[in-house]
Amino acid sequence: EAGVAQSPRYKIIEKRQSVAFWCNPISGHATLYWYQQILGQGPKLLIQFQNNGVVDDSQLPKDRFSAERLKGVDSTLKIQPAKLEDSAVYLCASSPGLAGENEQFFGPGTRLTVL
Amino acid sequence: DQQVKQNSPSLSVQEGRISILNCDYTNSMFDYFLWYKKYPAEGPTFLISISSIKDKNEDGRFTVFLNKSAKHLSLHIVPSQPGDSAVYFCAASAYGGYQKVTFGTGTKLQVIP
Repeated sequence: EAGVAQSPRYKIIEKRQSVAFWCNPISGHATLYWYQQILGQGPKLLIQFQNNGVVDDSQLPKDRFSAERLKGVDSTLKIQPAKLEDSAVYLCASSPGLAGENEQFFGPGTRLTVL
Repeated sequence: DQQVKQNSPSLSVQEGRISILNCDYTNSMFDYFLWYKKYPAEGPTFLISISSIKDKNEDGRFTVFLNKSAKHLSLHIVPSQPGDSAVYFCAASAYGGYQKVTFGTGTKLQVIP
């Protein structure tokens, strides 16, 4: 079974620039998550999709972050414009989405550096 | 508000000995707990979980204990191996069908050969 794919793996941009990350979840997984992990902290949920609907985006800074899940499969996360404090690893995860099955499968992450 | 706390940022253990990683939570609605393991430059991988209806779950060398009254859980690794050296995240969720998971800050385990 193929795992969660993310690209790019690394990205360096200057503040006020835009950046986009892509995620392809495990085939058949209904739930997709984007997390932000700042150095020394645990992953923080930014947004959660169930199929192509948003379940939770309470911690997404909506003035600069946006995300979509095309046709309930792939997803993109965009930051526009980026700030220095956005430097972090952005993790995508997916899960089958069934009640009680809370194990999430994570991709390798995208390390973003904002200069 | 840190609802899941891992107060030990790091832990060193000799190979073959027991590693005990601790986690505390404050949200009484949490009823499902997970441990994830993370190697550098990789995403976290699921290790073991426990439902609040149990107080212990075992999988090979890994055992998770849950003390609901103390809002505390721990992960025991016996015997510890050098390949266990990684960052371990405790995570918790509240049953509601939507599986929102809150992660702790992680404990970096080093197993010394």
